[in-house]
Amino acid sequence: QSVLTQPPSASGTPGQRVTISCSGSNSNIGTNYVHWYQQIPGTAPKLLIYENNQRPSGVPDRFSGSKSGTSASLAISGLRSEDEATYYCAAWDDRLTKWEFGGGTKVTVL
Amino acid sequence: QVQLQQWGAGLLKPSETLSLTCGVFGGSFNDFSWSWIRQPPGQGLEWIGEIVHTGSTKYNPSLKSRVTISVDASKNQFSLNLRSVTAADTGVYYCLRGGRWYTLGTYWGQGTLVTVSS
Repeated sequence: QSVLTQPPSASGTPGQRVTISCSGSNSNIGTNYVHWYQQIPGTAPKLLIYENNQRPSGVPDRFSGSKSGTSASLAISGLRSEDEATYYCAAWDDRLTKWEFGGGTKVTVL
Repeated sequence: QVQLQQWGAGLLKPSETLSLTCGVFGGSFNDFSWSWIRQPPGQGLEWIGEIVHTGSTKYNPSLKSRVTISVDASKNQFSLNLRSVTAADTGVYYCLRGGRWYTLGTYWGQGTLVTVSS
């Protein structure tokens, strides 16, 4: 069972906005940065958002991240077919002294 | 551009030791920490541990008793040893750049599928 809680699935039609939540606690999201990763089946995860809301070079600005208190969110605007993937949030946990990942949210483009 | 290339045995028997090595090409090896993460089939991601060029490590407490991560900074390589493997250790193992004090996962290795089976 993941310390960080994500919905198992989300979906939308092309062009729509999809939001994925990541709920944690004071020992992880509440005090540390949140990172987001995109994983397409059969490939390594790719860093999508780092330090809550920063995009690495090459990541489209359709992807955005935010954090408030002990929760974080990833938003995908202008949904495209190539966004079909599983998305994971991650944060360091000061109490458990390790990186924690959410269980992953599978995004389907209808 | 930074590239990580990993190698090691992909098929093990129960009780054997998993050994993987990751080579880092490009960038400054000494300026970052380096981690291992694994992913059981059809499941999520689990952080195993990290190391810096001095050899200082952090481990996942749930795996600490069986894990050793080592480094050869002269070769820009770091390695993972996981002892006494069982079927529960089956999965894809990734090396990546980052850790507690550096963004985790800016660069990833290609992944190695490790299967533990008698």
